[in-house]
Amino acid sequence: RKEVEQDPGPFNVPEGATVAFNCTYSNSASQSFFWYRQDCRKEPKLLMSVYSSGNEDGRFTAQLNRASQYISLLIRDSKLSDSATYLCVVSYNTDKLIFGTGTRLQVFP
Amino acid sequence: NAGVTQTPKFQVLKTGQSMTLQCAQDMNHNSMYWYRQDPGMGLRLIYYSASEGTTDKGEVPNGYNVSRLNKREFSLRLESAAPSQTSVYFCASGGGDHTEAFFGQGTRLTVV
Repeated sequence: RKEVEQDPGPFNVPEGATVAFNCTYSNSASQSFFWYRQDCRKEPKLLMSVYSSGNEDGRFTAQLNRASQYISLLIRDSKLSDSATYLCVVSYNTDKLIFGTGTRLQVFP
Repeated sequence: NAGVTQTPKFQVLKTGQSMTLQCAQDMNHNSMYWYRQDPGMGLRLIYYSASEGTTDKGEVPNGYNVSRLNKREFSLRLESAAPSQTSVYFCASGGGDHTEAFFGQGTRLTVV
């Protein structure tokens, strides 16, 4: 079983839709959580960190559930430019960063 | 500010050849990482270095060696390339204390 698991998708949604992704992690010692975005054939870039109390950045909301060991990302009012792969990342102890396989989002007009 | 610089961007090797992928960061980060990315597999950690002078294995270290030459540089070596090592390789650095990691642009390696 992978340490970090995501539904690969693709999620095909129309512009303006709300879409949510979940990610589960197996190591209860995980300490930090992130969502990264990766465009086709490009390097991953940080979208947002995920805090225990949940956090929001514009149209993006991230939640953490330590008891169930999952994190989520909600995107409201989807834009064409949101089309990308979203990577769930967890880290623990010596800053070891473990990536999920990614969830592909395609927003259509 | 260059961030994380990887060289080369593209490489074709024959089976059995060796090569070193170079990575340098100018953000004074303690932690550096090497990942490979294959279709459907996501990014898999090969090796990482939490500080200058230390290196640790990740998920898929077999067939690779690394060297943390100084705080800025972290190289990845393939001693005897195999077709299974055809992949996109990313180097990253982070500030430690579980903060954001910044990635290089990747090296597209093909082993024939």
